[in-house]
Amino acid sequence: GDSVTQMEGPVTLSEEAFLTINCTYTATGYPSLFWYVQYPGEGLQLLLKATKADDKGSNKGFEATYRKETTSFHLEKGSVQVSDSAVYFCALSDRSQAGTALIFGKGTTLSVSS
Amino acid sequence: ETGVTQSPTHLIKTRGQQVTLRCSSQSGHNTVSWYQQALGQGPQFIFQYYREEENGRGNFPPRFSGLQFPNYSSELNVNALELDDSALYLCASSPPAGADTQYFGPGTRLTVL
Repeated sequence: GDSVTQMEGPVTLSEEAFLTINCTYTATGYPSLFWYVQYPGEGLQLLLKATKADDKGSNKGFEATYRKETTSFHLEKGSVQVSDSAVYFCALSDRSQAGTALIFGKGTTLSVSS
Repeated sequence: ETGVTQSPTHLIKTRGQQVTLRCSSQSGHNTVSWYQQALGQGPQFIFQYYREEENGRGNFPPRFSGLQFPNYSSELNVNALELDDSALYLCASSPPAGADTQYFGPGTRLTVL
């Protein structure tokens, strides 16, 4: 079945460092791809999405490009802030059955220090 | 615009009991999905409701059931609670013709003792 694999964390960075969190997927068909962020004690917030190959999703300085040839959707940010500390989840939409389920990776914890 | 809301925030039950969790979808959204997130893991899809009917189900036993109401709000019911049911339960809603994009509520933390 469909699956998502994320790089294991935690990722520890200093403020203003460059961030990359790797995400690869396995899917039949052409899923949409997402990045969600979860702050401590909260639900998931949609960070960005891409619906087809070569699409770039972007929001709040974060970017990710849907790469069909490498089945990847890596998250990047040029300069992280302390407030970016959170858990980041990569997900794809599974339309193989009735309804649309999101399939998530295990999450990557990001810790940014000043 | 009000986002997805869930109640209660926290809940403590004992093994064998039954629990009902509630979700109000974001304004204009007609599809509701439920997920279970165990500690340190990604969310797992339980089921989705559309037009008051179950419209897709993940790998969860029948003791997990749900409802959707005409105003698109939803309930998740879990019978015969087990210790492994302890988790954060997340509700997500989607707009018409856009079930791919799901907007999550803050979740209900369920602890089973």
